[in-house]
This record gives sequence, C-alpha cells and structure tokens, in this order.
Amino acid sequence: DAKTTQPPSMDCAEGRAANLPCNHSTISGNEYVYWYRQIHSQGPQYIIHGLKNNETNEMASLIITEDRKSSTLILPHATLRDTAVYYCIVRVPFKAAGNKLTFGGGTRVLVKP
Amino acid sequence: GAVVSQHPSWVICKSGTSVKIECRSLDFQATTMFWYRQFPKQSLMLMATSNEGSKATYEQGVEKDKFLINHASLTLSTLTVTSAHPEDSSFYICSARPRETQYFGPGTRLLVL
Repeated sequence: DAKTTQPPSMDCAEGRAANLPCNHSTISGNEYVYWYRQIHSQGPQYIIHGLKNNETNEMASLIITEDRKSSTLILPHATLRDTAVYYCIVRVPFKAAGNKLTFGGGTRVLVKP
Repeated sequence: GAVVSQHPSWVICKSGTSVKIECRSLDFQATTMFWYRQFPKQSLMLMATSNEGSKATYEQGVEKDKFLINHASLTLSTLTVTSAHPEDSSFYICSARPRETQYFGPGTRLLVL
C-alpha cells in the first residue's frame, strides 16, 4: 500500500471549515484513499473514502487532486467534538489483495473555541 | 455504519493472570476480524488477523502463544492475553468489515499491575 504523509498536528477554529491535507505521491491506480479519525480513548471511526472523484457524506468531504497524489479532508463546520487524530490511509480494495489496514502517525487536530 | 462491540471496555488484572477480550460484529457476519494494539501517544499496530474456522495470522514480532485468538463463530472473536505482564498494558482494538469498509470496536483498555 502507498505511504501517506500528513502534518503531525493542526489547530482549527470552532465553526470554521477544517482542511486536512494528505500526500500520497506513490499511489497506484487501483488504490483508494480512506480517512478515519480516533477520538481520545476510543476506537477509530470511519469517515469517508474515495478513488478519484470527490466524495461527500454527512461527516465530511474528500477532495482528491486530478493526479491523485494528494487529497484533502474537509470538515465543513468544525466542532469541539471533532478534536481527534485523523488518519489518511491509502490501500487497494480489500477484495483485491490482503486485508490489512495500516495506520501511520495521522494528524492531531485540536478544535479551539 | 456497521457496529463492532468489545467487552470488557476496561480491565485491571494482576501480573501472571490471563485476560480474555471479546469482539463481536453486531449487525453483520465477519469471517475475518483484526486485532490491534495501541500504546499511549502511538498509532495503532496490527497484531493479528482472526479467521473464522481456522488459525489466526500473526504479525511479525507478535507471540502467538501469548496472544491467543479464537474465532469460533461469524460474529465473535476473542483475544486472550496469557500470563499478562505490566508491559502488556495497552489499548486493544478489534475491527471487522462487512464489505469494503473496515469498522472498529470501541477498544479495551488493559492495565496489568
């Protein structure tokens, strides 16, 4: 699976949009971009995933660049409860090969009042 | 999303005793479940893949005789930490996937005194 690079930490203002970047310059054509977050002392929570088109759900939006070498997770209106570590993970479809989901360091996001 | 539960949510035990942690998929069947371990301020590390009806697959460096995994049904996997020692104190998280997305349990915090 392709390696990802995320900033170790970032602060966001409550009520404002939070834009979380992720670089995955070695991504392969069949690899998806997944985002999870982990609130303190909880298990990771699935947020969103995509292949090449932008995706949106009730939690967030995922913007993937045209060359797919980077992506941005957007939390449209950050709340204090969005404070967590956010993980960007790139991997092939589970059906294709292997079942492992490997976590990197993630971005520690602190939403401030 | 799919629901994965764990029991207990936390446990304190004496050194040398064994501790069993249960992982259940509540609204789907899972032929494969995953066990992760997370130390403070570190990312999740995959310990093993639990396979229903067959032996678990352990990651390099994880002692299979110390961390016994049983996947007796399509909705239940158990992790038993045998002869626990203080260095086994950690946050243990299980995971399973109904389809393409992997979902995580709430985690079990183990403290070995």
